[in-house]
Amino acid sequence: NAGVMQNPRHLVRRRGQEARLRCSPMKGHSHVYWYRQLPEEGLKFMVYLQKENIIDESGMPKERFSAEFPKEGPSILRIQQVVRGDSAAYFCASSRDSESNQPQHFGDGTRLSIL
Amino acid sequence: GNSVTQMEGPVTLSEEAFLTINCTYTATGYPSLFWYVQYPGEGLQLLLKATKADDKGSNKGFEATYRKETTSFHLEKGSVQVSDSAVYFCAVGGSNYKLTFGKGTLLTVNP
Repeated sequence: NAGVMQNPRHLVRRRGQEARLRCSPMKGHSHVYWYRQLPEEGLKFMVYLQKENIIDESGMPKERFSAEFPKEGPSILRIQQVVRGDSAAYFCASSRDSESNQPQHFGDGTRLSIL
Repeated sequence: GNSVTQMEGPVTLSEEAFLTINCTYTATGYPSLFWYVQYPGEGLQLLLKATKADDKGSNKGFEATYRKETTSFHLEKGSVQVSDSAVYFCAVGGSNYKLTFGKGTLLTVNP
């Protein structure tokens, strides 16, 4: 499967724990985007990364959330000290470049549930 | 910033019925327009796209035309199937890389 791979598919955490979500982009793609989907809502942009660089994190909460895309390995979205409101589906997308006419290809998402 | 307003669902149709899901947008510049489909428990799949005014995107019997004068990108299909049951998202990609999505429209097609 050469598509965008996310894991885990489902993640359950208790309040105060940390959540780590992983995303491997499609082969040949070096641009990664993270989106959050709250129940019955559309996807909201969180952060855009290229290898080793955060390009735009304007959609990401300033506290507790961080993202990285190291030279080697997958992109990681990290949520510290999770709260109930963090329960959502988190989707990663990748593209070959950042031109607006280039489609972003999405993974199947990680569904995060906070107990 | 950009915004997308799409028809609220749920939409329930019988097999072979005609489908229209309305989508309008606001954006600066010359955005690209997309329709994505999300099947239960899965991620979003690109259904079709249009990159400039009057372009028609089409795929799997679905079509949408980029109408700049009405800022619309309505999704249509002449004859829906049960397998088309899913959530459909309209999205606009501006001069940058951020996709702005509508809230999604749940389509259920009954046999």
